Amino acid sequence: SQQGEEDPQALSIQEGENATMNCSYKTSINNLQWYRQNSGRGLVHLILIRSNEREKHSGRLRVTLDTSKKSSSLLITASRAADTASYFCATTNDYKLSFGAGTTVTVRA
Amino acid sequence: NAGVTQTPKFQVLKTGQSMTLQCAQDMNHEYMSWYRQDPGMGLRLIHYSVGAGITDQGEVPNGYNVSRSTTEDFPLRLLSAAPSQTSVYFCASSYGQSYYTGELFFGEGSRLTVL
Repeated sequence: SQQGEEDPQALSIQEGENATMNCSYKTSINNLQWYRQNSGRGLVHLILIRSNEREKHSGRLRVTLDTSKKSSSLLITASRAADTASYFCATTNDYKLSFGAGTTVTVRA
Repeated sequence: NAGVTQTPKFQVLKTGQSMTLQCAQDMNHEYMSWYRQDPGMGLRLIHYSVGAGITDQGEVPNGYNVSRSTTEDFPLRLLSAAPSQTSVYFCASSYGQSYYTGELFFGEGSRLTVL
């Protein structure tokens, strides 16, 4: 069964706005990662946050992790058309990386 | 570096046929894995390997075999294709699944249709 579940399933925003998506998971984790997938392509790693970290930044990305609530959020600030993609959270436990179903983000020009 | 290379990119099979999806990486990664991606279901782990000669099952292993004779290659074999195996298959590799790493590098996918 899937470990992570993203919310919302789809998000449509105007260029320049912020996009926020959430991920909830079920069991304890070593770390949590976010990936982006452009249409018809493979997944690309965005950011990794360890279980003992609460917040991490990378460029226009901000990730938070609340292990007590078993949830994470990904914020993309000042969105661009190139941010149009599907975003997946993935949790690591032992040697397995489990993905959620993803959030599809559309950035309108 | 080419990264993770998957072949073929597209394949159409008839029910009952067998085939092998190839995956090769040139980054000397110990960890390799196969996922399938179906609409609305995200990626599901089929098999994985933590090094040459070591493989293990993931979430949906039935109908698939793997082997890892070298660090570079991790082929996925469909023994007797079924329509339920129509999917996009991704191979991914990593330095390791340790606490400090775990970033996966993905191939571009192999799109399989079973008629």
